[in-house]
Amino acid sequence: AQTVTQSQPEMSVQEAETVTLSCTYDTSESDYYLFWYKQPPSRQMILVIRQEAYKQQNATENRFSVNFQKAAKSFSLKISDSQLGDAAMYFCAYRALYNTDKLIFGTGTRLQVFP
Amino acid sequence: GAVVSQHPSRVICKSGTSVKIECRSLDFQATTMFWYRQFPKQSLMLMATSNEGSKATYEQGVEKDKFLINHASLTLSTLTVTSAHPEDSSFYICSANERSAGGADTQYFGPGTRLTVL
Repeated sequence: AQTVTQSQPEMSVQEAETVTLSCTYDTSESDYYLFWYKQPPSRQMILVIRQEAYKQQNATENRFSVNFQKAAKSFSLKISDSQLGDAAMYFCAYRALYNTDKLIFGTGTRLQVFP
Repeated sequence: GAVVSQHPSRVICKSGTSVKIECRSLDFQATTMFWYRQFPKQSLMLMATSNEGSKATYEQGVEKDKFLINHASLTLSTLTVTSAHPEDSSFYICSANERSAGGADTQYFGPGTRLTVL
C-alpha cells in the first residue's frame, strides 16, 4: 500500500526567507501524481502545486517549487520569499495514475511565518 | 481553479437526528467526488468515494448505514449523517475531481462543514 510521510510537524520561517517542507512516499507504481495542498486557518484546502511522476522537470508555481527525486521517493516543497499569508498547514498527497483514485495524504506540516 | 461549494458551513444538531451536507461543483462536472473527515490538528481521513449514478465506495471502518452518500448528478453529492451522536462531531470536507486534458485530473475541495452534535 502507498504511504506518504511528512516528518516535520512544524516549521517556521522569517518573512521574505525561503523554507523547504519535506515529503517522502512509498509506492511500487512507476507512474503517479504528487500534490501539495495548503490548508489555512479557514480550513479551505487549496492546491499549491502538482507533479506528474513521468515528468523529470520539477513543477513550479510562482514562489512555490518542488524538488522531485523519483528514485529517492522524495517530493519537497520550497517556498521562496515567504509571506505572512503562507502560514498554514501543508499536506503532501499521492495519487495513483488512474483518475478516480483517491488521494493519500501525509500528516501535514504546520508552517509559521514570522515578520 | 475550479470551485466546489459545501452547505451548510456549520450545523448543530441534537443527538439522534440526521444531518445532510451538500457538495456541489460549481463550474465543472464531476463524475467522482470524495468525502473526508478531519479531526482537530490531524490530516484528512477519506470516508468514501462517490461516483455519479452508482453506489459509493466506503473506506474500511466507515459505516455505510451511518454515512449515506448520494451522487445524483454530475454536480451534486450529498452526505447524510444518520442518527448522529456526539462522537460524529467533526469537520467534514468534500472534494470533486475535475477532468483535464491528458488525464491529469485534479481534486478541488469544498470549504468544509463543521458538525456539532449535542
